Amino acid sequence: KAGVTQTPRYLIKTRGQQVTLSCSPISGHRSVSWYQQTPGQGLQFLFEYFSETQRNKGNFPGRFSGRQFSNSRSEMNVSTLELGDSALYLCASQQLGTVQETQYFGPGTRLLVL
Amino acid sequence: SQQGEEDPQALSIQEGENATMNCSYKTSINNLQWYRQNSGRGLVHLILIRSNEREKHSGRLRVTLDTSKKSSSLLITASRAADTASYFCATGRGSTLGRLYFGRGTQLTVWP
Repeated sequence: KAGVTQTPRYLIKTRGQQVTLSCSPISGHRSVSWYQQTPGQGLQFLFEYFSETQRNKGNFPGRFSGRQFSNSRSEMNVSTLELGDSALYLCASQQLGTVQETQYFGPGTRLLVL
Repeated sequence: SQQGEEDPQALSIQEGENATMNCSYKTSINNLQWYRQNSGRGLVHLILIRSNEREKHSGRLRVTLDTSKKSSSLLITASRAADTASYFCATGRGSTLGRLYFGRGTQLTVWP
């Protein structure tokens, strides 16, 4: 099976712009989770989607949003970018999103905000 | 917020030596997972240990879990230069589907 894929791999934006990142989960996986990784804050959970519904959300401002499509692919959007949004954004997939399952991560999208 | 704390923050050893990393957490968990990350790339899953398990092996990896002490350890035996990476523990809780709580990680450097 193909692994989790994320596009684009690298992105440079300027403050105030918006960005959309994409994640395709492993075939058959219906749960997609998003994380932000920065040197200062480490790995922080953004949100999780299952069957097109957001089931869980971390402590991020409303500028961060996401959605999931019927084929389980997910997108996350950051509006009005700030310098502090520069980070590695990782998505992970699971079959059902239960606590007994492994989360499989994609290679990440590295976002640089200038 | 971070759930786990890895110890040490950094570890430097020679090839062939064993590397031990520890992880402590604060609340009840359903499972604990260890991941490896090479230089800012994606996380690679290493091993998952459930809360009712005490020890698990996978190749050169050995993970232990002590729920009474809320701690886990990852042992890599006979380390290789290719093991150089950051290692993270992550915990899963029943109340938060799809969410893992990560520690800060241990940066392991294995010198040839």
